[in-house]
Amino acid sequence: NAGVMQNPRHLVRRRGQEARLRCSPMKGHSHVYWYRQLPEEGLKFMVYLQKENIIDESGMPKERFSAEFPKEGPSILRIQQVVRGDSAAYFCAITPLQGHNEQFFGPGTRLTVL
Amino acid sequence: GENVEQHPSTLSVQEGDSAVIKCTYSDSASNYFPWYKQELGKRPQLIIDIRSNVGEKKDQRIAVTLNKTAKHFSLHITETQPEDSAVYFCAASSMDSNYQLIWGAGTKLIIKP
Repeated sequence: NAGVMQNPRHLVRRRGQEARLRCSPMKGHSHVYWYRQLPEEGLKFMVYLQKENIIDESGMPKERFSAEFPKEGPSILRIQQVVRGDSAAYFCAITPLQGHNEQFFGPGTRLTVL
Repeated sequence: GENVEQHPSTLSVQEGDSAVIKCTYSDSASNYFPWYKQELGKRPQLIIDIRSNVGEKKDQRIAVTLNKTAKHFSLHITETQPEDSAVYFCAASSMDSNYQLIWGAGTKLIIKP
């Protein structure tokens, strides 16, 4: 599983609801990237987090989206007041160690907004 | 900042033939170049990578070449098989970019039987 789990694998929300996506790296992995992939499109970087720290959120929409990676527990990508355009696959990726480039992806969460 | 361009966007080859996908990058500080394969409905998976201290790397039917002077790198797949059908993404990374991967737009590879 490449050392990272995501849940739920599929999430259905109605417009205006909140979506919470979880990314659980194996113990010892403290660097997480979140990506969004619209159907038939490429990977769009959203945010890079270390434990208790947001390193780079330049790809994150300014409104409705937030991310965290607490000291204990999974990384959470939170989307408030979802709209149909938020329907996409959301992947998190881990990198084994700080200062390493390789990224290994989780299985993704497919969000559908009705 | 870094910019990665990938071509072609779609590539159709006969089974058994070779496929080549090309990427160019803009930041001369980039020193790590991975290739990912994404099958339909699945996660992107790292299939091969190369660092700037080598010019070529092979793993069975796949190989990657790097030309630092021209700032381009290519993925080569020989003796293509139906299971090679997927979307392939290239990326580039450097210490200057905090090791973040800058991604190409992807190439849809179709293997015709």
